Amino acid sequence: DVVMTQSPLSLPVTLGQPASISCRSSQNLVHSDGTTYLTWFQQRPGQSPRRLIYQVSKRDSGVPDRFSGSGSGTDFTLTISRVEAEDVGIYHCMQGTHWPPWTFGQGTKVEIK
Amino acid sequence: EVQLVESGGGLVQPGGSLRLSCAASGFTFSTYWMQWVRQAPGKGLEWVSHITGDGGGTTYADSVRGRFTISRDNAKNTLYLQMNSLRVEDTAVYYCVRDNFGVDFWGQGTLVTVSS
Repeated sequence: DVVMTQSPLSLPVTLGQPASISCRSSQNLVHSDGTTYLTWFQQRPGQSPRRLIYQVSKRDSGVPDRFSGSGSGTDFTLTISRVEAEDVGIYHCMQGTHWPPWTFGQGTKVEIK
Repeated sequence: EVQLVESGGGLVQPGGSLRLSCAASGFTFSTYWMQWVRQAPGKGLEWVSHITGDGGGTTYADSVRGRFTISRDNAKNTLYLQMNSLRVEDTAVYYCVRDNFGVDFWGQGTLVTVSS
């Protein structure tokens, strides 16, 4: 199984400052079709997860452009260019290249300092 | 608008059974793979099971294989998860999710509590 490792697990941030979350996989996530199935989800307190980024760097409709995804192979990053209060929550990465099982990172809790 | 609405959760004793349902709307249900993902209280996300659009292919996490069965009724636009021989460690919010070459939409979840 592919192990997904996120860091940090807790991220206190200052409003208006940037924030980055790392997600590393135990195997290369490039699929035989050439696509890298690495997804980022945001889970606000008390809510179900919402997809932000898919295939490493494609932003979903309605997602603010302060969110961006980057990376390749086994090393990926979610960046928030300027953190806003509504960004508080837990961020999860997930791989869908080598399944089953689909696997998630442990989650990174973003909070305001 | 895509909507996924889970139901069927509740309190059950260890060894008991529950059947979860997920009513889908806003998209052509039969053309999408679907999955169940769970989240134990205060924990991360864990994939549980997937099913192909026609229901002919299924996979399960090792932790539930042989106890849980995923199925779907495309005429009713509904996804199911039959859970048997439930254990305390199955306690979690269970989410129905759509797979569109990757998970995209999530339901609001239904809480399953396994306790004596």
